[in-house]
Amino acid sequence: EVQLLESGGGSVQPGGSLRLSCVASGFTFSSYGINWVRQAPGKGLEWVSGISLRGGRTDYADSVKGRFTISRDIPKNTLFLQMNSLRAEDTALYYCVKDLDDHFDYWGQGTLVTVSS
Amino acid sequence: QSVLAQPPSVSAAPGQRVTISCSGSSSNIGNNYVSWYQQFPGTAPQLLIYDNNKRPSGIPDRFSGSKSGTSATLGITGLQTGDEADYYCGTWETSLSGGHYVFGTGTKVTVL
Repeated sequence: EVQLLESGGGSVQPGGSLRLSCVASGFTFSSYGINWVRQAPGKGLEWVSGISLRGGRTDYADSVKGRFTISRDIPKNTLFLQMNSLRAEDTALYYCVKDLDDHFDYWGQGTLVTVSS
Repeated sequence: QSVLAQPPSVSAAPGQRVTISCSGSSSNIGNNYVSWYQQFPGTAPQLLIYDNNKRPSGIPDRFSGSKSGTSATLGITGLQTGDEADYYCGTWETSLSGGHYVFGTGTKVTVL
């Protein structure tokens, strides 16, 4: 059974940093792309960043480029999202999402990030 | 910022059919597969349709998807109260800065 378990969320002041983690199980972690998708309270879904299957290329939404860094530890089946220079508009539930090339087939339950003074 | 446009809401009586449109461009829907995701309040989204019109195991055939040009459509027949949820389309956007996944603005389905 595929499982994605996020952690690391919390409350932080504007300008601060957080590091999110996602421990994956039930599939070969190195064989699939994996992403972070966020959802602000009462709002829609926004793709944040991903590591592609092919070559492990990393991509970022324009809204986080230069501030967030995605990485993974394959032996530990763990995905990370280092978030720096956080802003109020980064407040959201962050989901770890496995992708099967053209679609997102498994989602974690999310970890909440709140940026507020 | 969503680049795929969906109607904010659709509604119908139980047993009826609803359709949800998803409008994009040649850089996203026009050249990539479309997926649909269903999200109940307080829960994570789940895959409903992939590759334009395929259903994952366990998704009833009351749900269907189609794509034409730069638009896609989700159809729900035999509407049930349990179908009340938010629905999002999604696809990859190909740009000079790389591959970005884009979601639709989301549509709330209400069963009258």
